[in-house]
Parts: sequence; structure tokens; C-alpha cells
Amino acid sequence: GENVEQHPSTLSVQEGDSAVIKCTYSDSASNYLPWYKQELGKRPQLIIDIRSNVGEKKDQRIAVTLNKTAKHFSLHITETQPEDSAVYFCAAYGSGNTGKLIFGQGTTLQVKP
Amino acid sequence: GAGVSQTPSNKVTEKGKYVELRCDPISGHTALYWYRQSLGQGPEFLIYFQGTGAADDSGLPNDRFFAVRPEGSVSTLKIQRTERGDSAVYLCASSLGGGGNTEAFFGQGTRLTVV
Repeated sequence: GENVEQHPSTLSVQEGDSAVIKCTYSDSASNYLPWYKQELGKRPQLIIDIRSNVGEKKDQRIAVTLNKTAKHFSLHITETQPEDSAVYFCAAYGSGNTGKLIFGQGTTLQVKP
Repeated sequence: GAGVSQTPSNKVTEKGKYVELRCDPISGHTALYWYRQSLGQGPEFLIYFQGTGAADDSGLPNDRFFAVRPEGSVSTLKIQRTERGDSAVYLCASSLGGGGNTEAFFGQGTRLTVV
């Protein structure tokens, strides 16, 4: 079945450093790959997404890269700030684009001041 | 509305009781999703509606769980004979279209505790 693997499960960086979170999805038909940020006790919120016909997308300090052949996509956060501390989830839509969005296990990012 | 609204925000119920969780999606969004999130885990897919019909209910864990969306807007997730293992945050999301190509907006969730 559909599966999304995410790592690392926890990541601690110093303020100003970069953070990279990696995901692998199993369904080659997935063509929309979002990343969500969830702060403690709050709802997941979309921070960036990428479509499978694009290799990279950037939005200020956040970027996502996609290797469609390997079914790998990664979140890159540069110049990290303490407010970037949260849990980050990658996701992919399941087979046939039914709307069944499958989430990774999450990465807890801690940015130390 | 301004966003996806879920009620109640918290629900404590006794084992064996019946509960209903409500989701008000963003106006005009045809797709609606229910997820369950346990502590330290990613959201787990339960069911997806396109309009009034359940397009994919493969994530419902067993027949104690049921969801409806009779008018294609508000949805209710119903859990019968609740068990302690049902304790989790239940998240609802909606999107403008369906089919896995548009952003899903999440509600704040209902924290269900079965004691």
C-alpha cells in the first residue's frame, strides 16, 4: 500500500544553521507532495508544496527538492530561527489521486537560540 | 467561514459511549477529509468525501466508525462503543477540489479522551 517514510525523527540545530528533512514515497503516481508544519497543540499548516513535474521550489528560506525517479523529496530550511521549531510532516497523495493524503511520521525540529 | 471549524475542541467520554465530532469546512470546498492523530505520530487517514459521497473510506479502522456529509458541507464523524484506544486528536481538512492536487486546510482538531 501507499507509504511515506520520513527522517530524521528529531533534528536539533543552532539558530542560523540549515535544516534538511528527507522523505520517500512509495506510489510513483503521486504528483502533489506537500509539507506541513505543526506547532504544539495547533493544526498542521501547509508551508510549501511541489508537483512532480518540478525538481525544486523555493519560498524565501524554505525550499523543497524532488527526485522523482528515486521518489525522494526533501525540505530545506536555511537561516533557521527559533520560531521554526515545530513538527514537520511530509505527505503524498495515494494511488489514483483519490485524495488519500498519506503523511510521514514527522520530524521534530528544535532551533536553539 | 474563515477556516475549517471543528467542534467540540475537547471531548471526554466513558468507554462504551457514543460520540459525534463535527466539522465545518471552508465554504465552497467540495473535498473533506478526516484524520486521526495520536501523540507523536503523523495524521492517519480515515475517510475522504467528495461532495456528499465517501470517495474513500479505507482508513476507517472498524465498523464502530462512521462518517456522513449529507448536504456536501458539514460532516460528522461518529464513533460507537468507544474504546480507550480511540483516544486521539481527530482532524478534519477541506480542499477546493479533490483528487490530490490542491492544498488541504486543517481544522484545529477535536481531542477525544476515552476514560
